[in-house]
Amino acid sequence: KAGVTQTPRYLIKTRGQQVTLSCSPISGHRSVSWYQQTPGQGLQFLFEYFSETQRNKGNFPGRFSGRQFSNSRSEMNVSTLELGDSALYLCASSSSGGASEQFFGPGTRLTVL
Amino acid sequence: GQNIDQPTEMTATEGAIVQINCTYQTSGFNGLFWYQQHAGEAPTFLSYNVLDGLEEKGRFSSFLSRSKGYSYLLLKELQMKDSASYLCAVRDTGGFKTIFGAGTRLFVKA
Repeated sequence: KAGVTQTPRYLIKTRGQQVTLSCSPISGHRSVSWYQQTPGQGLQFLFEYFSETQRNKGNFPGRFSGRQFSNSRSEMNVSTLELGDSALYLCASSSSGGASEQFFGPGTRLTVL
Repeated sequence: GQNIDQPTEMTATEGAIVQINCTYQTSGFNGLFWYQQHAGEAPTFLSYNVLDGLEEKGRFSSFLSRSKGYSYLLLKELQMKDSASYLCAVRDTGGFKTIFGAGTRLFVKA
């Protein structure tokens, strides 16, 4: 079974631009969560989707948004990029969310100049 | 508020035993996870506790005390490849949100 895939793996943008990151979960998994990881803050929860519905979101500004498609693939979008948005963005899938373990993708390394 | 505390760094010797502690204060609780993350890689699942007690899986064991808001990960017979960050994470009551601690960087020396 293929693992979680994320594209692109690396991205360089400038302040003010927007970016879209993609995540394909493990086949059969319907829950996708997004996290931001920085050296100082660790993993910060962004949002979780299940069957195209956002079930929870973290404490991030409205510039961060996401969606999930009918095939469970998910995208997250960051508009009006700021230098502080430079981070590793990780996506994790699980069969149902809840108590089931999460499988992480390799992440997208975003650098904002 | 929601808070998960774990030591920033630990050092141990190859072949030894190390215990990584985690204390948490969260608005809800639906299980505690431990993940391992090697530098430059994605986190990988190690263990899950939802009831009090010890869960053993090979060289790794995880303990939970819900009344104390406390967990630990025990690594036995340490190997050099165990050098990594260990992340403690709590799933909230609804199960739709996982809060991670900042992680403990473990250095295993020869």
